[in-house]
Amino acid sequence: EAGVTQFPSHSVIEKGQTVTLRCDPISGHDNLYWYRRVMGKEIKFLLHFVKESKQDESGMPNNRFLAERTGGTYSTLKVQPAELEDSGVYFCASSGDRVEAFFGQGTRLTVV
Amino acid sequence: GEDVEQSLFLSVREGDSSVINCTYTDSSSTYLYWYKQEPGAGLQLLTYIFSNMDMKQDQRLTVLLNKKDKHLSLRIADTQTGDSAIYFCAESFNSYNQGGKLIFGQGTELSVKP
Repeated sequence: EAGVTQFPSHSVIEKGQTVTLRCDPISGHDNLYWYRRVMGKEIKFLLHFVKESKQDESGMPNNRFLAERTGGTYSTLKVQPAELEDSGVYFCASSGDRVEAFFGQGTRLTVV
Repeated sequence: GEDVEQSLFLSVREGDSSVINCTYTDSSSTYLYWYKQEPGAGLQLLTYIFSNMDMKQDQRLTVLLNKKDKHLSLRIADTQTGDSAIYFCAESFNSYNQGGKLIFGQGTELSVKP
């Protein structure tokens, strides 16, 4: 069974540009999460989808970040316009009806 | 509030035991987790413990939970060079069949020397 897949693995963009990160969760997992790790600090929660609905978006830093989950399958996280402090590793995770959450490899975003 | 703290670095010799420690502030957590991140890889779930348990053992891994002191530890017996990685402690507040966010610590970088 395929795990959680994230694309791209790396992205380097200039300040002010737009970037879209994609996450494909494990098939059948209703719960999908986005997290971010900035500069070697703790991994911080961004938001949680249950199917296509946003269950908890308390961790989204500001309105430059937009997350969507079309049809309750894959999810995208768009940053527009990107700022220098948005650099970090963005992780996606999914879980089913059990307590374990499975993480993707992460997307390393560098804003220059 | 929710806060999870870990020491940043640990260095051990191959064959020794490693103990990675974690403290948390919110006693209402239901599950506590240990994740491992190898260089260039994603987060791998190593093990988790329900908050009303004191200990869980899984092969070379032993998790100890002291709920009174809000202290969680991960012991790796017979540490190997392949155990070198960053280890993250995390807590959640949801029940077993519910989704919910994880609160992570900063991660402990374990270095295993031959």
